[in-house]
Amino acid sequence: DGGITQSPKYLFRKEGQNVTLSCEQNLNHDAMYWYRQDPGQGLRLIYYSQIVNDFQKGDIAEGYSVSREKKESFPLTVTSAQKNPTAFYLCAISSTGGHEQFFGPGTRLTVL
Amino acid sequence: GQQVMQIPQYQHVQEGEDFTTYCNSSTTLSNIQWYKQRPGGHPVFLIQLVKSGEVKKQKRLTFQFGEAKKNSSLHITATQTTDVGTYFCAGPSNGGYQKVTFGIGTKLQVIP
Repeated sequence: DGGITQSPKYLFRKEGQNVTLSCEQNLNHDAMYWYRQDPGQGLRLIYYSQIVNDFQKGDIAEGYSVSREKKESFPLTVTSAQKNPTAFYLCAISSTGGHEQFFGPGTRLTVL
Repeated sequence: GQQVMQIPQYQHVQEGEDFTTYCNSSTTLSNIQWYKQRPGGHPVFLIQLVKSGEVKKQKRLTFQFGEAKKNSSLHITATQTTDVGTYFCAGPSNGGYQKVTFGIGTKLQVIP
């Protein structure tokens, strides 16, 4: 939505390779999130960050890593340790103290 | 842990019929949000309910928050093909500042 960008829209990788998905926002929001969505499934939280240089594991953090070096950026690395990496990855933000989630357009990752 | 259950998982309706999706939480919620995800798109925030027994309307959509703040519903009057998509509810997660737990979603198909 609006000032949240994720690129690329589609990404293909070979099995065993690490891949980094980008998420950038220009809305000056503190909280950023990464979700994974599988076909016909809900949204599962991977990692979230409430402030620069701090992040917390979500429900399915194994095989993923993140960094939050800048307020506007929250990249997600899908490592080779993630057993089923093919999925739709969504980045979201929320304003300070709020729970409403505003999502980016997402990246569809396919691991061959 | 906290669970947010949503029913039904799928619903097919004739255009012009009404539609309702229900959301139930295992714990009392301070607020509840509703989102819509169009096919191939990303979830879009629709509304947040905060008060016990609250009812809010957006054109043909009516959102209710239960008196006990553990359940919620979304009702669409006279569905249109533009209503097609998956509707998610979400509530604040236990033990996590600004974390939310999403329901599995209700996928709505509207038959013209």
